[in-house]
Amino acid sequence: EAQVTQNPRYLITVTGKKLTVTCSQNMNHEYMSWYRQDPGLGLRQIYYSMNVEVTDKGDVPEGYKVSRKEKRNFPLILESPSPNQTSLYFCASSNGGTDTQYFGPGTRLTVL
Amino acid sequence: RKEVEQDPGPFNVPEGATVAFNCTYSNSASQSFFWYRQDCRKEPKLLMSVYSSGNEDGRFTAQLNRASQYISLLIRDSKLSDSATYLCVVDTGTYKYIFGTGTRLKVLA
Repeated sequence: EAQVTQNPRYLITVTGKKLTVTCSQNMNHEYMSWYRQDPGLGLRQIYYSMNVEVTDKGDVPEGYKVSRKEKRNFPLILESPSPNQTSLYFCASSNGGTDTQYFGPGTRLTVL
Repeated sequence: RKEVEQDPGPFNVPEGATVAFNCTYSNSASQSFFWYRQDCRKEPKLLMSVYSSGNEDGRFTAQLNRASQYISLLIRDSKLSDSATYLCVVDTGTYKYIFGTGTRLKVLA
């Protein structure tokens, strides 16, 4: 089954404790992206990657890191989480351009 | 001005009604346009891409007006299952996707 998976689905953590949210896709997509969704602000792009070892900043990259060492995986790293990073996070993948983006189920993160 | 703007709604309509949503975008260089559907904080799913010539998929029709920089979505014969949030998405042409904040639709029995 073609899918995008994210782990964990729910996470409660404390300020400053490094964490990684994993994202994996099995569709051989070149393009992957991370978004956060907050009430009243919609989905905002954090980082995206057009291929292995090629990443670029989206609209809200501050406080986040990403890496793309393999085509299927695109982890999101929060080196020192803060409460303003409490949000719902989605990973997505596609073949790029006009192709649809397929979204993972989301990770609900709470930073205390 | 937001890059992509939508009326947040909610639009409360009876079953069988026709409802239309509009979305405006500010970047005239935008390349691709989409409507996504999102149910109650679940992941967004593509409803349809929007082409310059307009396109239809069953009860759903999407239109693009590049001159006025807006896209629209028309839903005919609304069903209870159409209740969701509809997200307008614009690709600026550099793999950056800008999402509108969404329009909530409630179809009432």
